[in-house]
Amino acid sequence: EAGVAQSPRYKIIEKRQSVAFWCNPISGHATLYWYQQILGQGPKLLIQFQNNGVVDDSQLPKDRFSAERLKGVDSTLKIQPAKLEDSAVYLCASSLSGRSNQPQHFGDGTRLSIL
Amino acid sequence: GIQVEQSPPDLILQEGANSTLRCNFSDSVNNLQWFHQNPWGQLINLFYIPSGTKQNGRLSATTVATERYSLLYISSSQTTDSGVYFCAVATFYNQGGKLIFGQGTELSVKP
Repeated sequence: EAGVAQSPRYKIIEKRQSVAFWCNPISGHATLYWYQQILGQGPKLLIQFQNNGVVDDSQLPKDRFSAERLKGVDSTLKIQPAKLEDSAVYLCASSLSGRSNQPQHFGDGTRLSIL
Repeated sequence: GIQVEQSPPDLILQEGANSTLRCNFSDSVNNLQWFHQNPWGQLINLFYIPSGTKQNGRLSATTVATERYSLLYISSSQTTDSGVYFCAVATFYNQGGKLIFGQGTELSVKP
Protein backbone atom coordinates (compact mmCIF):
# COMPACT_ATOMS: atom_id res chain seq x y z
CA GLU A 1 0.00 0.00 0.00
CA ALA A 2 1.12 3.57 -0.60
CA GLY A 3 2.53 5.36 2.43
CA VAL A 4 1.88 8.85 3.75
CA ALA A 5 2.73 11.44 1.10
CA GLN A 6 4.01 14.91 1.92
CA SER A 7 5.11 17.87 -0.14
CA PRO A 8 7.25 19.80 -0.58
CA ARG A 9 10.31 18.00 0.80
CA TYR A 10 12.19 21.23 1.40
CA LYS A 11 11.18 24.88 1.70
CA ILE A 12 13.24 28.00 2.34
CA ILE A 13 11.48 31.29 3.07
CA GLU A 14 12.23 34.58 4.78
CA LYS A 15 10.72 35.48 8.15
CA ARG A 16 7.27 37.03 7.99
CA GLN A 17 6.47 35.18 4.76
CA SER A 18 3.81 32.49 4.60
CA VAL A 19 4.19 28.80 3.74
CA ALA A 20 1.92 25.78 3.33
CA PHE A 21 2.54 22.04 3.57
CA TRP A 22 0.41 19.26 2.16
CA CYS A 23 -0.21 15.72 3.40
CA ASN A 24 -2.08 12.75 1.95
CA PRO A 25 -2.53 9.93 4.49
CA ILE A 26 -2.66 6.20 3.87
CA SER A 27 -5.91 5.29 2.15
CA GLY A 28 -8.63 4.48 4.67
CA HIS A 29 -6.87 6.05 7.64
CA ALA A 30 -9.31 8.21 9.57
CA THR A 31 -6.78 9.91 11.83
CA LEU A 32 -4.15 12.39 10.68
CA TYR A 33 -1.45 14.02 12.80
CA TRP A 34 0.94 16.92 12.21
CA TYR A 35 4.15 16.89 14.27
CA GLN A 36 6.90 19.52 14.51
CA GLN A 37 10.49 18.35 14.98
CA ILE A 38 13.05 20.98 15.97
CA LEU A 39 16.69 20.08 15.38
CA GLY A 40 18.04 17.84 18.14
CA GLN A 41 14.63 17.00 19.59
CA GLY A 42 11.95 14.38 19.14
CA PRO A 43 8.79 15.25 17.21
CA LYS A 44 5.94 16.98 19.10
CA LEU A 45 2.28 16.95 18.16
CA LEU A 46 0.84 20.15 16.69
CA ILE A 47 -2.65 19.00 15.70
CA GLN A 48 -4.68 15.82 15.31
CA PHE A 49 -7.69 15.28 13.05
CA GLN A 50 -10.28 12.52 13.25
CA ASN A 51 -11.84 12.49 9.77
CA ASN A 52 -12.37 16.23 9.20
CA GLY A 53 -12.72 17.24 12.85
CA VAL A 54 -10.01 18.48 15.20
CA VAL A 55 -9.30 16.18 18.17
CA ASP A 56 -6.31 17.97 19.73
CA ASP A 57 -4.79 21.32 18.78
CA SER A 58 -3.61 22.33 22.24
CA GLN A 59 0.03 22.73 21.11
CA LEU A 60 -0.71 24.58 17.88
CA PRO A 61 0.37 28.29 17.96
CA LYS A 62 -2.95 29.49 16.67
CA ASP A 63 -1.85 33.09 16.15
CA ARG A 64 0.30 31.96 13.22
CA PHE A 65 -0.44 28.29 12.46
CA SER A 66 -3.59 26.92 10.88
CA ALA A 67 -4.54 23.52 9.54
CA GLU A 68 -7.49 21.98 7.77
CA ARG A 69 -8.57 18.59 6.57
CA LEU A 70 -11.43 19.19 4.19
CA LYS A 71 -13.36 16.07 3.18
CA GLY A 72 -11.46 14.04 5.77
CA VAL A 73 -8.59 12.99 3.49
CA ASP A 74 -5.82 15.43 2.51
CA SER A 75 -4.59 18.03 4.96
CA THR A 76 -2.83 21.38 4.70
CA LEU A 77 -0.76 23.05 7.42
CA LYS A 78 -0.07 26.77 7.03
CA ILE A 79 2.24 29.20 8.79
CA GLN A 80 1.60 32.93 8.45
CA PRO A 81 3.70 34.90 9.26
CA ALA A 82 6.74 32.65 9.78
CA LYS A 83 9.23 33.27 12.57
CA LEU A 84 12.84 32.12 12.85
CA GLU A 85 11.88 29.59 15.54
CA ASP A 86 9.57 27.82 13.08
CA SER A 87 12.61 26.31 11.35
CA ALA A 88 11.97 22.58 11.77
CA VAL A 89 10.89 19.40 10.06
CA TYR A 90 7.10 19.06 9.78
CA LEU A 91 5.96 15.45 9.82
CA CYS A 92 2.57 14.12 8.91
CA ALA A 93 1.37 10.77 10.23
CA SER A 94 -1.79 8.70 9.96
CA SER A 95 -3.40 5.81 11.78
CA LEU A 96 -6.41 3.66 11.08
CA SER A 97 -8.81 5.02 13.69
CA GLY A 98 -6.82 7.14 16.18
CA ARG A 99 -7.10 4.77 19.11
CA SER A 100 -3.99 4.91 21.24
CA ASN A 101 -3.24 1.20 20.68
CA GLN A 102 -2.71 1.58 16.94
CA PRO A 103 0.57 2.28 15.14
CA GLN A 104 1.17 5.57 13.39
CA HIS A 105 2.78 5.74 9.98
CA PHE A 106 4.89 8.77 9.06
CA GLY A 107 5.60 10.60 5.84
CA ASP A 108 9.07 11.77 4.79
CA GLY A 109 8.50 15.24 6.24
CA THR A 110 9.01 18.80 5.02
CA ARG A 111 12.20 20.53 6.11
CA LEU A 112 11.49 24.25 6.59
CA SER A 113 14.29 26.82 6.86
CA ILE A 114 13.50 30.41 7.81
CA LEU A 115 16.07 33.06 6.81
CA GLY B 1 2.28 13.86 31.49
CA ILE B 2 4.22 10.72 30.66
CA GLN B 3 8.02 10.97 30.52
CA VAL B 4 10.12 9.05 27.99
CA GLU B 5 13.86 8.69 28.54
CA GLN B 6 16.28 7.09 26.11
CA SER B 7 19.81 5.94 26.73
CA PRO B 8 22.53 6.31 25.77
CA PRO B 9 22.15 9.71 24.07
CA ASP B 10 25.06 8.94 21.71
CA LEU B 11 26.72 5.74 20.58
CA ILE B 12 29.68 5.11 18.28
CA LEU B 13 30.27 1.59 16.97
CA GLN B 14 32.61 -0.20 14.62
CA GLU B 15 30.88 -1.98 11.78
CA GLY B 16 29.91 -5.50 12.84
CA ALA B 17 29.43 -4.68 16.52
CA ASN B 18 26.21 -5.24 18.46
CA SER B 19 24.33 -2.65 20.52
CA THR B 20 21.39 -2.24 22.87
CA LEU B 21 19.31 0.93 23.11
CA ARG B 22 17.00 1.51 26.04
CA CYS B 23 13.71 3.39 26.48
CA ASN B 24 12.19 4.00 29.92
CA PHE B 25 8.69 5.41 30.35
CA SER B 26 6.92 6.70 33.44
CA ASP B 27 3.35 5.41 32.99
CA SER B 28 1.37 2.55 31.51
CA VAL B 29 1.27 2.58 27.72
CA ASN B 30 -0.71 0.78 25.07
CA ASN B 31 1.41 1.89 22.13
CA LEU B 32 5.17 1.85 21.85
CA GLN B 33 6.97 2.36 18.56
CA TRP B 34 10.66 2.41 17.63
CA PHE B 35 11.74 4.61 14.75
CA HIS B 36 14.97 5.17 12.85
CA GLN B 37 15.52 8.66 11.50
CA ASN B 38 18.06 8.54 8.71
CA PRO B 39 20.43 11.37 7.80
CA TRP B 40 17.88 12.66 5.26
CA GLY B 41 15.31 13.15 8.01
CA GLN B 42 13.00 10.29 7.07
CA LEU B 43 11.35 8.62 10.08
CA ILE B 44 11.26 4.89 9.44
CA ASN B 45 8.92 2.73 11.50
CA LEU B 46 10.94 -0.18 12.93
CA PHE B 47 8.60 -1.83 15.42
CA TYR B 48 5.15 -1.45 16.90
CA ILE B 49 5.72 -3.22 20.21
CA PRO B 50 3.58 -2.27 23.24
CA SER B 51 4.59 -5.59 24.82
CA GLY B 52 6.53 -8.74 24.04
CA THR B 53 9.38 -9.40 21.63
CA LYS B 54 9.68 -8.97 17.86
CA GLN B 55 12.48 -9.54 15.38
CA ASN B 56 13.10 -8.17 11.92
CA GLY B 57 16.39 -9.27 10.39
CA ARG B 58 19.30 -7.88 12.40
CA LEU B 59 16.97 -5.83 14.60
CA SER B 60 14.88 -7.03 17.49
CA ALA B 61 12.93 -5.31 20.25
CA THR B 62 11.54 -6.27 23.62
CA THR B 63 9.05 -4.34 25.74
CA VAL B 64 8.43 -5.24 29.39
CA ALA B 65 5.30 -3.19 29.99
CA THR B 66 5.00 -4.08 33.69
CA GLU B 67 8.49 -2.67 34.32
CA ARG B 68 8.03 0.25 31.92
CA TYR B 69 10.96 -0.19 29.58
CA SER B 70 11.77 -1.30 26.07
CA LEU B 71 15.02 -2.41 24.46
CA LEU B 72 16.11 -2.25 20.84
CA TYR B 73 18.89 -4.64 19.78
CA ILE B 74 21.00 -4.07 16.70
CA SER B 75 23.28 -6.95 15.73
CA SER B 76 26.15 -6.92 13.22
CA SER B 77 25.75 -3.17 12.72
CA GLN B 78 26.27 -1.60 9.31
CA THR B 79 27.08 1.97 8.30
CA THR B 80 23.52 2.31 6.99
CA ASP B 81 22.28 1.83 10.58
CA SER B 82 23.64 5.30 11.42
CA GLY B 83 21.12 7.94 12.40
CA VAL B 84 18.87 8.72 15.35
CA TYR B 85 16.70 6.08 17.00
CA PHE B 86 13.50 7.27 18.67
CA CYS B 87 11.19 5.54 21.07
CA ALA B 88 7.63 6.92 21.22
CA VAL B 89 4.68 5.96 23.41
CA ALA B 90 0.96 6.62 23.74
CA THR B 91 -0.98 6.11 26.96
CA PHE B 92 -4.28 4.48 27.86
CA TYR B 93 -5.55 7.86 28.99
CA ASN B 94 -5.05 9.58 25.65
CA GLN B 95 -7.45 7.82 23.33
CA GLY B 96 -6.46 10.21 20.57
CA GLY B 97 -3.25 8.25 20.26
CA LYS B 98 -0.83 11.20 20.49
CA LEU B 99 2.73 9.86 20.51
CA ILE B 100 5.21 11.19 23.06
CA PHE B 101 8.77 10.88 21.81
CA GLY B 102 12.01 10.47 23.71
CA GLN B 103 15.03 12.59 22.92
CA GLY B 104 16.58 9.87 20.78
CA THR B 105 19.84 7.92 20.64
CA GLU B 106 22.25 9.09 17.94
CA LEU B 107 24.10 6.10 16.50
CA SER B 108 27.19 6.38 14.36
CA VAL B 109 28.58 3.22 12.77
CA LYS B 110 32.16 3.52 11.50
CA PRO B 111 33.49 1.35 8.66
